[in-house]
Amino acid sequence: AQSVTQLDSQVPVFEEAPVELRCNYSSSVSVYLFWYVQYPNQGLQLLLKYLSGSTLVKGINGFEAEFNKSQTSFHLRKPSVHISDTAEYFCAVTDYGGSQGNLIFGKGTKLSVKP
Amino acid sequence: DTGVSQNPRHKITKRGQNVTFRCDPISEHNRLYWYRQTLGQGPEFLTYFQNEAQLEKSRLLSDRFSAERPKGSFSTLEIQRTEQGDSAMYLCASSLTRNVYEQYFGPGTRLTVT
Repeated sequence: AQSVTQLDSQVPVFEEAPVELRCNYSSSVSVYLFWYVQYPNQGLQLLLKYLSGSTLVKGINGFEAEFNKSQTSFHLRKPSVHISDTAEYFCAVTDYGGSQGNLIFGKGTKLSVKP
Repeated sequence: DTGVSQNPRHKITKRGQNVTFRCDPISEHNRLYWYRQTLGQGPEFLTYFQNEAQLEKSRLLSDRFSAERPKGSFSTLEIQRTEQGDSAMYLCASSLTRNVYEQYFGPGTRLTVT
């Protein structure tokens, strides 16, 4: 079974500063990894995903994440955040090669960008 | 492509009542998923459909819960004899079978059981 730990429940940051949202996972099998964003009163939107290939994955809105198998991590980064990045971010995992696609989510990190 | 829609967006019900939620996926998507999100938690998988077939159910889905996708298009999730612990956001997502890792989520239905 897989599990996901998001190490910070809340991350406050000033506008134009860099940010890193941390995610660690646990699994006995190889996994696929995802980051989703949830704006207030909206559904989840896929930011980026790691399925295979380069361990540095670029997503939408200037976000990127790096898959580190030895540390079982998939941290999300952005070099300069905007007020509009204020949202809740969820890390998720699923079985490598599984056909079901059901995702296991972390508890989320609320990013608050201050002017 | 109008995205995934869910109705109603909010539902308040009294304990013991039955409720039904509807999800309309993106039209060409043959996979449909239901998740539940409680306060302070990430979404938890409940069940999924491949066309009209329900292929997997989480142990979270007690016998008071039932989901259907009768014609392989929209889906309904019914909760019978609601309990206060059922209060949550119920999320629906859809995808193509050939790309199950790109799921599109609806805005959710927020259920409050009083």
